[in-house]
Amino acid sequence: DGGITQSPKYLFRKEGQNVTLSCEQNLNHDAMYWYRQDPGQGLRLIYYSQIVNDFQKGDIAEGYSVSREKKESFPLTVTSAQKNPTAFYLCASSKGVATNEKLFFGSGTQLSVL
Amino acid sequence: AQTVTQSQPEMSVQEAETVTLSCTYDTSESDYYLFWYKQPPSRQMILVIRQEAYKQQNATENRFSVNFQKAAKSFSLKISDSQLGDAAMYFCAYGSGGGADGLTFGKGTHLIIQP
Repeated sequence: DGGITQSPKYLFRKEGQNVTLSCEQNLNHDAMYWYRQDPGQGLRLIYYSQIVNDFQKGDIAEGYSVSREKKESFPLTVTSAQKNPTAFYLCASSKGVATNEKLFFGSGTQLSVL
Repeated sequence: AQTVTQSQPEMSVQEAETVTLSCTYDTSESDYYLFWYKQPPSRQMILVIRQEAYKQQNATENRFSVNFQKAAKSFSLKISDSQLGDAAMYFCAYGSGGGADGLTFGKGTHLIIQP
């Protein structure tokens, strides 16, 4: 089955630690996205990538980093500079790069601080 | 920058009744897309319906339909014959037609279905 796989489902971060969230898709989609969701809030865009080896900052990129070395993979690193990392993180992909077609979402990663 | 506003944090409806969720947006673009996503307790985001701004006809998907008022920048979702499985958070989202730079989401409406 084609889809987007996020791992792990739950992740705990110690203070000062960097953690990496995995996102893999086998839909052959060009564009990939990372969103953050806080309780009572909508989704906010962290980073997005339209092609391999290229990515752009979203609305709340500070304290996060990404890479796009392969078309199917778009990992997100939450660095120690992100002082309030507790949130639900959603990865998404879309087929094309010319327009905002519908997004397909993974099942998310809940990140909590120890 | 585009903004999406959902003015109803929570709505409640009796099973089998009809409910309308409101959404307004602000943009200066003429080419864009609008979406409604559903997020049940599993937290999986599910696309409910999609509307292209250039289409005058309102989109419909089974029991779900939209009322797209382009001049008023309004995009409401109507759910007919509400079912218990419709209980979820509903998010309205805006996507620019000029490139795959991501969607802008509203803060959501929590829909409760009363049996």
